[in-house]
Amino acid sequence: NAGVTQTPKFQVLKTGQSMTLQCAQDMNHNSMYWYRQDPGMGLRLIYYSASEGTTDKGEVPNGYNVSRLNKREFSLRLESAAPSQTSVYFCASGDRGNQPQHFGDGTRLSIL
Amino acid sequence: QKEVEQNSGPLSVPEGAIASLNCTYSDRVSQSFFWYRQYSGKSPELIMSIYSNGDKEDGRFTAQLNKASQYVSLLIRDSQPSDSATYLCAVIIRNNDMRFGAGTRLTVKP
Repeated sequence: NAGVTQTPKFQVLKTGQSMTLQCAQDMNHNSMYWYRQDPGMGLRLIYYSASEGTTDKGEVPNGYNVSRLNKREFSLRLESAAPSQTSVYFCASGDRGNQPQHFGDGTRLSIL
Repeated sequence: QKEVEQNSGPLSVPEGAIASLNCTYSDRVSQSFFWYRQYSGKSPELIMSIYSNGDKEDGRFTAQLNKASQYVSLLIRDSQPSDSATYLCAVIIRNNDMRFGAGTRLTVKP
């Protein structure tokens, strides 16, 4: 009964390094999402995928890319990490675009 | 103006009291509203969904929605120390675009 699984749980990068965060869900949900959470800012949507084969920008997409590999998996890539991308990243999935989302445990990413 | 606004708190209530959490949103066409609970260092956990005007009850939790006033609230009855967490209001402003408030931190004192 895994739900939404994110890897890794923690990561430290140096400025300029690249990194891919992985996410997989086993709930057969159509939609998947990537958020970042910063103190005092709440959760902000980076990118989402409404269905397999589609991706769209959210509120804060700059500096990120995504891939919807198949229905289960949705990855987030930082091509050239910057200190401003230090955050907690959450992946979520939902059955449809107007339905509640279910979150993974998060990835705590620090960029030095 | 932020799409979703909440009082940041902290809100402190004694054990057994009613905790009242409030949220306003700016987009009149929003149709889906949610409350999430987030314990420190953990991920958000869905506790209530509401789509129609009025009240929706689930155990000790009641969500209230007033679309005319663009207002959503969450009442927690018989508050317990285990309810101490940050509560996030979330609104879907268009399909797949969910916006969150910054959260209200609730402390329930024994």
